[in-house]
Amino acid sequence: DSGVTQTPKHLITATGQRVTLRCSPRSGDLSVYWYQQSLDQGLQFLIQYYNGEERAKGNILERFSAQQFPDLHSELNLSSLELGDSALYFCASSVGPTSYEQYFGPGTRLTVT
Amino acid sequence: AQRVTQPEKLLSVFKGAPVELKCNYSYSGSPELFWYVQYSRQRLQLLLRHISRESIKGFTADLNKGETSFHLKKPFAQEEDSAMYYCALSVMDSSYKLIFGSGTRLLVRP
Repeated sequence: DSGVTQTPKHLITATGQRVTLRCSPRSGDLSVYWYQQSLDQGLQFLIQYYNGEERAKGNILERFSAQQFPDLHSELNLSSLELGDSALYFCASSVGPTSYEQYFGPGTRLTVT
Repeated sequence: AQRVTQPEKLLSVFKGAPVELKCNYSYSGSPELFWYVQYSRQRLQLLLRHISRESIKGFTADLNKGETSFHLKKPFAQEEDSAMYYCALSVMDSSYKLIFGSGTRLLVRP
């Protein structure tokens, strides 16, 4: 077990709604990464936080936002949801800001109907 | 542009056959490449990295800068190798941002 936890496991919601996905990194890891895995786009990097600060941004839509809290857990907020946002959302963590080895969580499957 | 290409969505081989999962990358800097694996109902996990030049579970991968490739190889496939394999490129700007390929599903038949 890598130690990264994500809640919820599954989420079903309607278009136009807003959801929050939660991630707790491994104990001692300061970096949190968010990825989106969809059937047509593969695994895409969204955003990274390190010790509470945004560190790197990838292909994250403006409708999406994230933050990392003082206890190092992170939340990914998805708003004005569209059908195309249906995907698996993975969180990963690593020790430092530039760690190549990332430990992945089990993912949250989001279904937008 | 930084990109990782895995041309095969599915690779099916028989047990004991050699396996080669292809990965090509596009990156103007000095590349750092990795293979991640996701077994059924398990999390994505690091399999190996080119820097360490190690063999994990019988798999090896050599970085070929001339061909911009990092193919994953195993001489004799086992059924337990069946999984989803992702090649990833580390882009070092302000972080170790990983750019993943689209993945190849390896199916090892008995």
